[in-house]
Amino acid sequence: GAGVSQTPSNKVTEKGKYVELRCDPISGHTALYWYRQSLGQGPEFLIYFQGTGAADDSGLPNDRFFAVRPEGSVSTLKIQRTERGDSAVYLCASGLAGAGETQYFGPGTRLLVL
Amino acid sequence: AQSVTQLDSQVPVFEEAPVELRCNYSSSVSVYLFWYVQYPNQGLQLLLKYLSGSTLVKGINGFEAEFNKSQTSFHLRKPSVHISDTAEYFCAVGRVGRRALTFGSGTRLQVQP
Repeated sequence: GAGVSQTPSNKVTEKGKYVELRCDPISGHTALYWYRQSLGQGPEFLIYFQGTGAADDSGLPNDRFFAVRPEGSVSTLKIQRTERGDSAVYLCASGLAGAGETQYFGPGTRLLVL
Repeated sequence: AQSVTQLDSQVPVFEEAPVELRCNYSSSVSVYLFWYVQYPNQGLQLLLKYLSGSTLVKGINGFEAEFNKSQTSFHLRKPSVHISDTAEYFCAVGRVGRRALTFGSGTRLQVQP
């Protein structure tokens, strides 16, 4: 079946601009995660959704970052007033929300802030 | 909070040789442990995971890992590697009761002919 998809695959923007990154999880997965992976590092947790609600947003670095999942499926990560330090690969994952669940990752969106 | 240390940033190895990729973690509570692989230009893929029970876990592509609670380690092993195993490998820990994973910085396995 189809895996997690993310659009766009690449995004180039200018400092100060607003960007939206989209994630389509695997059908039927109630849990959805956003991570950020900087060059040479492992993924870093940003936010976790269970259904439509953000169950854990402790990883969001500041209030410029926001994410929604209005219908419990597709999610959008929104970054306001982008900074050069926001440049990274943004990964989305989905799962069945059980203990020790496997998180299935998408290919990521590579964001470059000039 | 938990943390994950992958001491080896790169591991070069010849084809058909055995390999061990090291992972140590720290946590004050019970954890779940994972190994993910990232092939070039692809997303992260689960290799194996430890939740409970037997400390020796077998995964896909001939990989296995052993959970050692006293040494807080979860090293990944393969008895004979192939060129196709060339990839970045990430160890991750999840705290029981919390969904977020904490990843190590990764180990690049380079299999040479």
